[in-house]
Amino acid sequence: GAGVSQSPSNKVTEKGKDVELRCDPISGHTALYWYRQRLGQGLEFLIYFQGNSAPDKSGLPSDRFSAERTGESVSTLTIQRTQQEDSAVYLCASSLNSIYGYTFGSGTRLTVV
Amino acid sequence: KQEVTQIPAALSVPEGENLVLNCSFTDSAIYNLQWFRQDPGKGLTSLLLIQSSQREQTSGRLNASLDKSSGRSTLYIAASQPGDSATYLCAVRDTGGFKTIFGAGTRLFVKA
Repeated sequence: GAGVSQSPSNKVTEKGKDVELRCDPISGHTALYWYRQRLGQGLEFLIYFQGNSAPDKSGLPSDRFSAERTGESVSTLTIQRTQQEDSAVYLCASSLNSIYGYTFGSGTRLTVV
Repeated sequence: KQEVTQIPAALSVPEGENLVLNCSFTDSAIYNLQWFRQDPGKGLTSLLLIQSSQREQTSGRLNASLDKSSGRSTLYIAASQPGDSATYLCAVRDTGGFKTIFGAGTRLFVKA
């Protein structure tokens, strides 16, 4: 596609429910990243995928968070048993490979009530 | 561990003024440095990407410089306009873990 697409754009969920966020990277981009941005704060790295290599999960804040990516296509970020502290904008970015610049999606705004 | 700092945290200028945003990083072993713009409630838009072998990049009224040895980059905005009001983020791509580390951003407000 022309850009990085994220869905849904907004998600309101009840505490304790599971949510799944989706990211469609730019076609041909082998690197994909997930970041979290809490209100008024900077970007917090979550996870990085590069081609078929094992992902770098070092930024995932707890075992409630997981992400998958099939090959060089769509990625899903799953948050289980959501907590109010999970409320944030979740941003996905892709890159041609790990040394090129990023293109970001518009993000998913998650609100846990 | 790479750390990226942006100064100032916020800046308010009158329309038409030229301005400089600063970014510093602690580890000079980088692949590239990228400047982004973020509008309230929106994602990030890439402005300029400087590879580690480059000294500067220009796009329209924007000019970004990179001094790897001193761990500094500047974003120069000429003839600022109210539409330039946004948060500007600096991001450094490490050679070590291939992660990109973001600064906290500079919130710019250009008054008409």
